[in-house]
Amino acid sequence: GQQLNQSPQSMFIQEGEDVSMNCTSSSIFNTWLWYKQDPGEGPVLLIALYKAGELTSNGRLTAQFGITRKDSFLNISASIPSDVGIYFCAGLSLGGAQKLVFGQGTRLTINP
Amino acid sequence: EAGVAQSPRYKIIEKRQSVAFWCNPISGHATLYWYQQILGQGPKLLIQFQNNGVVDDSQLPKDRFSAERLKGVDSTLKIQPAKLEDSAVYLCASSPQGPQTDTQYFGPGTRLTVL
Repeated sequence: GQQLNQSPQSMFIQEGEDVSMNCTSSSIFNTWLWYKQDPGEGPVLLIALYKAGELTSNGRLTAQFGITRKDSFLNISASIPSDVGIYFCAGLSLGGAQKLVFGQGTRLTINP
Repeated sequence: EAGVAQSPRYKIIEKRQSVAFWCNPISGHATLYWYQQILGQGPKLLIQFQNNGVVDDSQLPKDRFSAERLKGVDSTLKIQPAKLEDSAVYLCASSPQGPQTDTQYFGPGTRLTVL
């Protein structure tokens, strides 16, 4: 089945640093999404990407939809304590019943 | 706008027992999803409803899992009998009908522990 490989699995950074994480797949997706999940909560959508090559920002977050449609990255600039959590990439499969396929997540920890 | 509601938030059962989870989606959302999220992994889709019809249940272990969405609003997910490997967070999500159906809003989840 379709799988997304997300890296790194975890990150430990200092407050104020920039963060970069990425997601790759052997399959093509027509939509890439990035979610953040806090403990005890469901994932919350951060950014949605709909076109290959698209670069989209949401505040300090920037994400890009890879040209090959098989990858995406998420950058967070000037990290703050509330950025702590688990970040998931998700791809929306082509055709038929659209189904979200999630990566395994990147756990972000920030040292103040 | 109220979000997706789920109950209970936590459930502990013994293997071979039965359990049911309830989800109330965002008002007006036509599509409802149930996901299983095992610790350390991303959510995995179990079943997708469009109104009260099943769109995709290809990853639902139908020998023990069942789900229904009566009247196209609330939904219940049942496991009978439960196995140890069913320990996970069960997330419900909903999305509005239309071009933005990729925008799914998740509930807080039900954390199931099977002993």
